[in-house]
Amino acid sequence: DQQVKQNSPSLSVQEGRISILNCDYTNSMFDYFLWYKKYPAEGPTFLISISSIKDKNEDGRFTVFLNKSAKHLSLHIVPSQPGDSAVYFCAASEGGGGADGLTFGKGTHLIIQP
Amino acid sequence: SQTIHQWPATLVQPVGSPLSLECTVEGTSNPNLYWYRQAAGRGLQLLFYSVGIGQISSEVPQNLSASRPQDRQFILSSKKLLLSDSGFYLCAWTTLWNTGELFFGEGSRLTVL
Repeated sequence: DQQVKQNSPSLSVQEGRISILNCDYTNSMFDYFLWYKKYPAEGPTFLISISSIKDKNEDGRFTVFLNKSAKHLSLHIVPSQPGDSAVYFCAASEGGGGADGLTFGKGTHLIIQP
Repeated sequence: SQTIHQWPATLVQPVGSPLSLECTVEGTSNPNLYWYRQAAGRGLQLLFYSVGIGQISSEVPQNLSASRPQDRQFILSSKKLLLSDSGFYLCAWTTLWNTGELFFGEGSRLTVL
């Protein structure tokens, strides 16, 4: 049973436009959500996070939106750049980050086209 | 600053052979340590986590085992590899005062033939 779902395996966006990556979750106990970026043959790197007490968090070109009632979050990248091409993982945790780690989605491969 | 290293980076092993992947963290003490696996089309799957020396929790029944002989050392092992063990293995760490963010190592690509 997958508790964090990223239903789009891949997404292609033109350079300069907005990239929107979506994530849904089923566990209502999740209260902290993160996005990670991963290049091939490298470990994931933390991008941005949001606590369940907020509905938006912004960091430069990256904004994460959380809709708790819909159990949905999204990552917006504006404007998209070639270096943004990577796999993006949505992750969630209970209790503000318990010892048992994060639950990840399957990832979305973002391709930025010139 | 804190760093995490894992090795080897790439490994090609025959079916039935043993496995040992090692991970060490520097610049912090008493970290929580994790082993994840990224298999094709399956995202990042938590395999093991440890909150202290000798304390190992397994998330998925499998052919693998983990050990934590020292505070900042985490080892992933297998006595006999299966084809299905192929994947990209990631070590990660965090501390109690983090807000849930995990810091990942560079990863180890295992191919079982």
